[in-house]
Amino acid sequence: KAGVTQTPRYLIKTRGQQVTLSCSPISGHRSVSWYQQTPGQGLQFLFEYFSETQRNKGNFPGRFSGRQFSNSRSEMNVSTLELGDSALYLCASSLGEGVLFSGANVLTFGAGSRLTVL
Amino acid sequence: EDQVTQSPEALRLQEGESSSLNCSYTVSGLRGLFWYRQDPGKGPEFLFTLYSAGEEKEKERLKATLTKKESFLHITAPKPEDSATYLCAVQVSGAGSYQLTFGKGTKLSVIP
Repeated sequence: KAGVTQTPRYLIKTRGQQVTLSCSPISGHRSVSWYQQTPGQGLQFLFEYFSETQRNKGNFPGRFSGRQFSNSRSEMNVSTLELGDSALYLCASSLGEGVLFSGANVLTFGAGSRLTVL
Repeated sequence: EDQVTQSPEALRLQEGESSSLNCSYTVSGLRGLFWYRQDPGKGPEFLFTLYSAGEEKEKERLKATLTKKESFLHITAPKPEDSATYLCAVQVSGAGSYQLTFGKGTKLSVIP
């Protein structure tokens, strides 16, 4: 079956602009999470959505936002871009609920969207 | 605060030279410990989940083990195609979330 699809794969923006990234989860997965990966900080949690509701949020400024649609697809938005926002943004999907040991809590990652801010 | 520390940061091995990667963690309550592999320009690829101390899982040349404070990823007779960054992550129980807290990773290079 198809994996997690992220678009666009690469994009270049300038400071002050905004950007929207898209994620299509694995069919049947109801939870989508977003992570930021940089060489210095590694992978850091941004937020998690389940059935269109934000279930958890990481320690990022309000410029970072997201949403999930009824078909489980998700978008994240970064407004007023800063140079430090340059990173690989990763989306991951999971079943979102289920019995422990069933694999419901295993996150499957997409290939990421590489954002460069100039 | 949940913390995950991986060592070493980088490891160079000759093909066939077995070794282990370490992941030490501090969490309030562990739901699961995860190992992922990440190749350059790609997203992390799931390898294993371990749930309780004493548990072991194997896949080809990889074997993951778990204690109450750390996990090891043992690589037996590695091949050049095993070169990648290996990431360890913890998932906390009782949080109503599947958030992962990651270590910084170990970059493994296997030389032919």
